[in-house]
Amino acid sequence: KNEVEQSPQNLTAQEGEFITINCSYSVGISALHWLQQHPGGGIVSLFMLSSGKKKHGRLIATINIQEKHSSLHITASHPRDSAVYICAVSRGANSKLTFGKGITLSVRP
Amino acid sequence: DARVTQTPRHKVTEMGQEVTMRCQPILGHNTVFWYRQTMMQGLELLAYFRNRAPLDDSGMPKDRFSAEMPDATLATLKIQPSEPRDSAVYFCASHEGSGGYTFGSGTRLTVV
Repeated sequence: KNEVEQSPQNLTAQEGEFITINCSYSVGISALHWLQQHPGGGIVSLFMLSSGKKKHGRLIATINIQEKHSSLHITASHPRDSAVYICAVSRGANSKLTFGKGITLSVRP
Repeated sequence: DARVTQTPRHKVTEMGQEVTMRCQPILGHNTVFWYRQTMMQGLELLAYFRNRAPLDDSGMPKDRFSAEMPDATLATLKIQPSEPRDSAVYFCASHEGSGGYTFGSGTRLTVV
């Protein structure tokens, strides 16, 4: 069993929809990270969370430490949100990341 | 914005050739990582350094891969000899303190 699980592998939505992407992990962590990767592109760090909730523009990330679960929400989705969203965890300051397999999101106009 | 710079962006090489990938981390970031991304395995850690000292290189095939950080502004990942199964995108990332991780744009390696 992977330490970081994301599902489903692929997700399709219509422009304007509210989207939720989930991540579960099975180990103790110091922080959870949400990353975004556009096709053929680099990796961008969206959020780093150790508790509660963070918001940036149309993106909201939440984490429940007790349940070892995090969600990434996208409000008013747009085709430019189409990308792979990767959940990763770190276990200690300045430590390596352990990644989920990522979810491929397609937002149709 | 500060960024992690990787060179080259793309590399096509023949099997058996040496490949060197370079990374310039963000100034002041004391931890530097090398990750490899493939369709089958996703993102995997190859090696990482803290204050230029290697901390973990257990993800690297030791017989052909080597990672070094000759100074604070340069990290290198070398493959010798390269094999077709090494074809992947190699990402460098740097990190400092309680901040997030910053990734480079990656080197897309194709070994034919």
